[in-house]
Amino acid sequence: EAGVTQFPSHSVIEKGQTVTLRCDPISGHDNLYWYRRVMGKEIKFLLHFVKESKQDESGMPNNRFLAERTGGTYSTLKVQPAELEDSGVYFCASSQRIGGLADTQYFGPGTRLTVL
Amino acid sequence: QKEVEQNSGPLSVPEGAIASLNCTYSDRGSQSFFWYRQYSGKSPELIMSIYSNGDKEDGRFTAQLNKASQYVSLLIRDSQPSDSATYLCAVNMGDYGGATNKLIFGTGTLLAVQP
Repeated sequence: EAGVTQFPSHSVIEKGQTVTLRCDPISGHDNLYWYRRVMGKEIKFLLHFVKESKQDESGMPNNRFLAERTGGTYSTLKVQPAELEDSGVYFCASSQRIGGLADTQYFGPGTRLTVL
Repeated sequence: QKEVEQNSGPLSVPEGAIASLNCTYSDRGSQSFFWYRQYSGKSPELIMSIYSNGDKEDGRFTAQLNKASQYVSLLIRDSQPSDSATYLCAVNMGDYGGATNKLIFGTGTLLAVQP
């Protein structure tokens, strides 16, 4: 069974440009999460989809970030316009159950974003 | 105060020894706790999950939870050089109605097992 995949693995862009990150969850997983790790800091939650609906977007830093999950399959996270402080590793995770606390989240390899 | 706290390390142990990794959390209502292992440049990989007070063993790994003290630990017996990685403590602080399961992570403890 394929794990969570993310594309691209690395992205280097100039300040002010737009970048779109993609996540393909494990097949059949309704829950999809985005997290971010800024250098030297802990991994932080951004948002949670259940199928195509945004369940919790309390971690989204500002309106320059837009996440979508059309059709409840893969998800994209767009940053527009990118700022220097957006640099970091963006992780996607997926899990199977809707609701319930005993739910294992499986992480993708991450996208390393560098904004110059 | 951080929501989930870990000693950043590095924690250095000799091969064959027991490595003890500790984590404290602030939300007394937290119900689910996870230990992830992350090798440099790789994705976090789940090692253990624990939900009830006490010990949970899986092979060389034992997770310990004490909700009264808001403390969770991971013991690695017979440590191997291949165990050298960053160990992340994560706490589920989602909505207990089951609507969301966001994880709150500590900064991680770097473990170095010396051959």
